Amino acid sequence: QKEVEQNSGPLSVPEGAIASLNCTYSDRGSQSFFWYRQYSGKSPELIMFIYSNGDKEDGRFTAQLNKASQYVSLLIRDSQPSDSATYLCAVNYNAGNMLTFGGGTRLMVKP
Amino acid sequence: DAGVTQSPTHLIKTRGQQVTLRCSPISGHKSVSWYQQVLGQGPQFIFQYYEKEERGRGNFPDRFSARQFPNYSSELNVNALLLGDSALYLCASSPFFSVDSYNSPLHFGNGTRLTVT
Repeated sequence: QKEVEQNSGPLSVPEGAIASLNCTYSDRGSQSFFWYRQYSGKSPELIMFIYSNGDKEDGRFTAQLNKASQYVSLLIRDSQPSDSATYLCAVNYNAGNMLTFGGGTRLMVKP
Repeated sequence: DAGVTQSPTHLIKTRGQQVTLRCSPISGHKSVSWYQQVLGQGPQFIFQYYEKEERGRGNFPDRFSARQFPNYSSELNVNALLLGDSALYLCASSPFFSVDSYNSPLHFGNGTRLTVT
């Protein structure tokens, strides 16, 4: 069974610090990887997507992909209390849009 | 442009009843996918429709069905509701068949929260 694993947390960081969220996946053939942010009671919101090995930066967010080690991570620089949410990692294991999600990591940014 | 829109936002049903959830994709998007998110878990794939044809089905019973209309909107139907069907039902759209197409990630709607009593 193809899986996506995340530490459920909570991960607690002080305001202004770097938050590092990690995700591992089981299928080396996966082509696309996604990070979604989900506030309590709301739907997932796309934060980053990455297709190639290496880093991809967008504002305070950096996604890192290492296909050889089968992990993808999300770094949030200068963390703000508004970043407090659950972060979902998703991997596309098949053709189409059949994403497999991890259980999410709850991030808490303390003022 | 409007995002993915879903209706209704909340729904309360009784065990054994049937429910229909609706979704309108982002303009120009031809693919619609449905996901179920139980409290405390990540979303789980139910269906994908592309160009009005079913192109993927997750591990859900036959009580779950869906369809896509010529305008690319979609409906998810669940028959014979069980307590375990209580969840947030998410619709997502993308322009192409596969998210592996560059710059074709899934965008989710606000979801329909279904409570089965």
